[in-house]
This record gives sequence, structure tokens and C-alpha cells, in this order.
Amino acid sequence: DAGVIQSPRHEVTEMGQEVTLRCKPISGHNSLFWYRQTMMRGLELLIYFNNNVPIDDSGMPEDRFSAKMPNASFSTLKIQPSEPRDSAVYFCASSLQADTQYFGPGTRLTVL
Amino acid sequence: GESVGLHLPTLSVQEGDNSIINCAYSNSASDYFIWYKQESGKGPQFIIDIRSNMDKRQGQRVTVLLNKTVKHLSLQIAATQPGDSAVYFCAETADYKLSFGAGTTVTVRA
Repeated sequence: DAGVIQSPRHEVTEMGQEVTLRCKPISGHNSLFWYRQTMMRGLELLIYFNNNVPIDDSGMPEDRFSAKMPNASFSTLKIQPSEPRDSAVYFCASSLQADTQYFGPGTRLTVL
Repeated sequence: GESVGLHLPTLSVQEGDNSIINCAYSNSASDYFIWYKQESGKGPQFIIDIRSNMDKRQGQRVTVLLNKTVKHLSLQIAATQPGDSAVYFCAETADYKLSFGAGTTVTVRA
């Protein structure tokens, strides 16, 4: 079975540019999560979708971050404009209801 | 605030020995706990979980123990192998929101 799929795996961009991260959750899962991982702050929940609807976006750092889930098999996390402090590994995870979350391989973002 | 914390940030284990990774939690409302393993360059990988109505759960070479009295969670790995070298996170939740500990780095010595 395919796990959570994320793209790109690595992204290097310059400050001010728009960045779009993509996620395909496990088929049949109805909950999707975006996390950010840094050495300083560990794993932080950014946003949680249930049945394609954003339920909790309290972790989204600021208005530069936005996330969408147009259908059950696709979600995007967008940063516009990007800043160096946004450099981190971004993970997408999915689950069935509030059960075990399964993580994707992550996108390593570097903003120069 | 309430948080999940790990007692030891690093653990060095001789190959073949058993490993024990500890985790303290303080949210008494948490009813579901998960251990994840994260290898370098990869996402957290589910290892084993336990619900609050259980004290112990066993998987393949792994056992999770839950002591609700002292709010303590542990992961035991039997016959540790080089492939077990990774960062291990405990996570707790009372709903959908997982709270992760800081992580314990396990290094297996040959």
C-alpha cells in the first residue's frame, strides 16, 4: 500500500518567493495534518483537516501560510512570501478519524 | 502548560542488548499514546500504540508500558539491532492533536 506522498522532497528558494508543498494522504483516510519540524521547536502541528474541512489552523504561524484541501486525495501548504526562518522540514500526515497518524517522507525547505 | 517530555535525550546501546526509552506526560486527559521512530531524512514511522485502558502492549521486538499513576510511558526494544538507531518520539493525545516529546536519540554500538 502506498503511504503518504509528499512533493517535492527538497525545495530551495530565495526569500520572497512563493513555495507550494503538496501532499497525497493514504487512500481512505479522512484526516490530514501538516507539521513543521525544526531542531529548535521539534514537531509542530500547523493545520488539521477533517473530511477536507480545516478544523484547527491555530498552529499556522502567520498570514503568509495557507493550506487547502480541495479533495480527499490532495492538499497543499503554501508560503507566500517565504522567509529564511521558514526553513524546516514540513511533514504531512493522515489518519482515519482521530486514530494513528501516518507521516509522509517530508519536504525539506531551505529559504535563502 | 501540559507537555510530553523525555527523560533522556540520548541512549547508547550495545547491539543485542535491550533498550528502554522513557517518556513522561502530564496531561491526565490523554487517552492514547504512540511511539514513533524517525530515521535520518525520513518522516516519523509508527512503531506501537497503547490506549489508556491498557498497561502493556507488545509488538514485534517492542513493548510499550503505560503507568497512569505516575504518568509514565516506556518503550522497550528487545535485542537491539543497528537498524534501530534513530530518534524515538512519544506522543500523547486526548483527541486529534498529538503532543510530541523532544525525542530520544538511540545509537546502537556494534
